[in-house]
Amino acid sequence: AQRVTQPEKLLSVFKGAPVELKCNYSYSGSPELFWYVQYSRQRLQLLLRHISRESIKGFTADLNKGETSFHLKKPFAQEEDSAMYYCALSGHTGGFKTIFGAGTRLFVKA
Amino acid sequence: EAGVAQSPRYKIIEKRQSVAFWCNPISGHATLYWYQQILGQGPKLLIQFQNNGVVDDSQLPKDRFSAERLKGVDSTLKIQPAKLEDSAVYLCASRLKGGVRTDTQYFGPGTRLTVL
Repeated sequence: AQRVTQPEKLLSVFKGAPVELKCNYSYSGSPELFWYVQYSRQRLQLLLRHISRESIKGFTADLNKGETSFHLKKPFAQEEDSAMYYCALSGHTGGFKTIFGAGTRLFVKA
Repeated sequence: EAGVAQSPRYKIIEKRQSVAFWCNPISGHATLYWYQQILGQGPKLLIQFQNNGVVDDSQLPKDRFSAERLKGVDSTLKIQPAKLEDSAVYLCASRLKGGVRTDTQYFGPGTRLTVL
């Protein structure tokens, strides 16, 4: 079964500290992995996708097929990073349907 | 470029009543999605349209939910009759084509439904 698991509902860190939001997935085949973000009172939006291998707002995520993980990392958290983060996957097996995790709320303290 | 539009933004109804949501995708976007997001959960796909045809409605509770996209542009999602467990945010999203890896999905602001 296709599944995305985000084990932490809430993650609280101090400004300037490193942050890692965990994401594990279950999928038969080669999925595409994404991180979406929702800032307060804003729409859900794409943050980054693994095929782009990009860094957005200082965030990076590496796909680890052996551990079936796609953790989101940032070396120095900023207060404006406080938001809800959703890990998601899509792929040919599911007709490119996007499956979302339950989300992790990141709170960056001053 | 205007984003995905949804209305109403909020709706409160009593159980067994009917409700309808409207979505206007980004101009030119062929693929349209309706998601249900229950509090504390991630969005769950209800139905996917490619132009005016249904691609996936496997998770749509068809005994009470219906959706249409008659002219391949706007879409409506209806619940009749509503149950308490339908309380959620209903998100509409669109993308240019769908099924293409580099295609980005754009979300609307959502409609928050409360069923009393």
